[in-house]
Amino acid sequence: DAMVIQNPRYQVTQFGKPVTLSCSQTLNHNVMYWYQQKSSQAPKLLFHYYDKDFNNEADTPDNFQSRRPNTSFCFLDIRSPGLGDAAMYLCATSRARIGTGGSGANVLTFGAGSRLTVL
Amino acid sequence: AQSVTQLDSQVPVFEEAPVELRCNYSSSVSVYLFWYVQYPNQGLQLLLKYLSGSTLVKGINGFEAEFNKSQTSFHLRKPSVHISDTAEYFCASTNDYKLSFGAGTTVTVRA
Repeated sequence: DAMVIQNPRYQVTQFGKPVTLSCSQTLNHNVMYWYQQKSSQAPKLLFHYYDKDFNNEADTPDNFQSRRPNTSFCFLDIRSPGLGDAAMYLCATSRARIGTGGSGANVLTFGAGSRLTVL
Repeated sequence: AQSVTQLDSQVPVFEEAPVELRCNYSSSVSVYLFWYVQYPNQGLQLLLKYLSGSTLVKGINGFEAEFNKSQTSFHLRKPSVHISDTAEYFCASTNDYKLSFGAGTTVTVRA
């Protein structure tokens, strides 16, 4: 089945030690998103890629970076994790950019998430 | 800007009883609305969506929702819940280029 795969599912890191989370998709979708979800909160968009075009949310800390080397993969890099960065990180994809019309553009498919613990 | 408000943070319900989760939206433009479910330590799974057309939308696992333009609501319902429906439910809408979520409703189904 076509899907969105996130690795690792659980990541433990130390305060200040860089961490990379990965996301791969077999849907051949043009858009990939990274959301941060803290405990008992709604997911919050960090940034997204439309093809190779990177779009950062205005309130995403500089500590968070992303790379998309090809259509299938997208990475989330946290350069110096703090205790406040402990969260579930969700990757999602959509066929086209939201708002461009059609269900394919407006329906996101999510991965199972990567839970980050910072010690 | 489009946004959604979920009116209930927690909804306890007995097995085989009906459940309704309330969601109101605010927008003056075209509305795309969604309900997602999240099981513990999992990602989000799409339950159903309203893009256009019929205001009664049927989704997976026996859920349905009704788009009500006059009341700006998109409430989620299920006539008979199971223990396995225990989860977090998010109402969401598209806003320009992104999908934004309500605060979530925790549904706990008890035997």
